[in-house]
Amino acid sequence: NAGVMQNPRHLVRRRGQEARLRCSPMKGHSHVYWYRQLPEEGLKFMVYLQKENIIDESGMPKERFSAEFPKEGPSILRIQQVVRGDSAAYFCASSPRDRSNYGYTFGSGTRLTVV
Amino acid sequence: DQQVKQNSPSLSVQEGRISILNCDYTNSMFDYFLWYKKYPAEGPTFLISISSIKDKNEDGRFTVFLNKSAKHLSLHIVPSQPGDSAVYFCASGGTGTASKLTFGTGTRLQVTL
Repeated sequence: NAGVMQNPRHLVRRRGQEARLRCSPMKGHSHVYWYRQLPEEGLKFMVYLQKENIIDESGMPKERFSAEFPKEGPSILRIQQVVRGDSAAYFCASSPRDRSNYGYTFGSGTRLTVV
Repeated sequence: DQQVKQNSPSLSVQEGRISILNCDYTNSMFDYFLWYKKYPAEGPTFLISISSIKDKNEDGRFTVFLNKSAKHLSLHIVPSQPGDSAVYFCASGGTGTASKLTFGTGTRLQVTL
């Protein structure tokens, strides 16, 4: 029973390139959440998705960032034209229902470094 | 605007003693609270939660206390073990927040022998 799978674990991109981060939720989980952790900070909510729907994207920067969770396949967080300030750990979590008070299950994260 | 605050960035406790981690929040709309534990290079792991209708929840060595009037919660670990050394995040959510959690900045716990 695999947990939340994120890949790649580490991603290095030059300024101006695109970064694609993938997240496969736990089996049976249809709700996906993306969080970002900047150095020495807590996790900050970015976006909450269900299959083919964005439910809450209030934490997403208005430009360059987008997320999707298609009917088939993993959820993708896409960052276009990356800048140094995008360097962070990006965590995906999943849950079987929209009740985070039971505690999501997080993946191990993707560490993005922009050089 | 830091709605969830963990004012102690680090804590060192001897093995066998009690560890007390604190968290304050400002948003009155929060109605459930969680603690996550995080090891380096791993994702956060859910530890324990508490609903706003309770003031205490216990799970083995871990107990969370909630003081709604003070907007304060704490996590007690007793007895502390070396394997408890990690960063602990407090998180809060509300039924009106569409499952979004607001995290504190974390407290690094070091349990020494």
